[in-house]
Amino acid sequence: LAKTTQPISMDSYEGQEVNITCSHNNIATNDYITWYQQFPSQGPRFIIQGYKTKVTNEVASLFIPADRKSSTLSLPRVSLSDTAVYYCLGNNAGNMLTFGGGTRLMVKP
Amino acid sequence: SQTIHQWPATLVQPVGSPLSLECTVEGTSNPNLYWYRQAAGRGLQLLFYSVGIGQISSEVPQNLSASRPQDRQFILSSKKLLLSDSGFYLCAWSTQGGFAPQHFGDGTRLSIL
Repeated sequence: LAKTTQPISMDSYEGQEVNITCSHNNIATNDYITWYQQFPSQGPRFIIQGYKTKVTNEVASLFIPADRKSSTLSLPRVSLSDTAVYYCLGNNAGNMLTFGGGTRLMVKP
Repeated sequence: SQTIHQWPATLVQPVGSPLSLECTVEGTSNPNLYWYRQAAGRGLQLLFYSVGIGQISSEVPQNLSASRPQDRQFILSSKKLLLSDSGFYLCAWSTQGGFAPQHFGDGTRLSIL
């Protein structure tokens, strides 16, 4: 499974766009990139998943360049309720997930 | 729609006591089921996963065990708890097949005294 590296923490303000970048230099050909969000004392929640180029849903966008060695989760116009830990994971066909430490996003008023 | 239930939400147990945490899924059939543990401020560690009734794979050797007596029921057990078993235990499910997102329960916070 791909080993992923993310910033430990990020700060932002309400209304701003937040981009969280994840490095996965050894991603395998059949790995997808999946992002989860976790609030304190809750289970992680699936946000978005992609293989390459750009994926967008009602919550976020995911950008994966052609070499697939990194990916960027983009959260448009964050609010205080987006304060959470965000995890980037490689997900292969066996669906085994390896969670790292994630990125703690703090949204300030 | 599919839902996942875990109980209890919190549990305080003495060292050496047994453990049984239960997880059930509704609204889907033949799901993959997973148990994770999360230490404070850390990422999740996969403990067990199951692709069907009676089929359990262990990722981390320890004094915990898992069972799947029914299609949508997953149980985490221990005969004798250790202090190091404290943590936040999460159950998750996904549909069969690769790349399917996993959906997590609200977890059980286990404290060992």
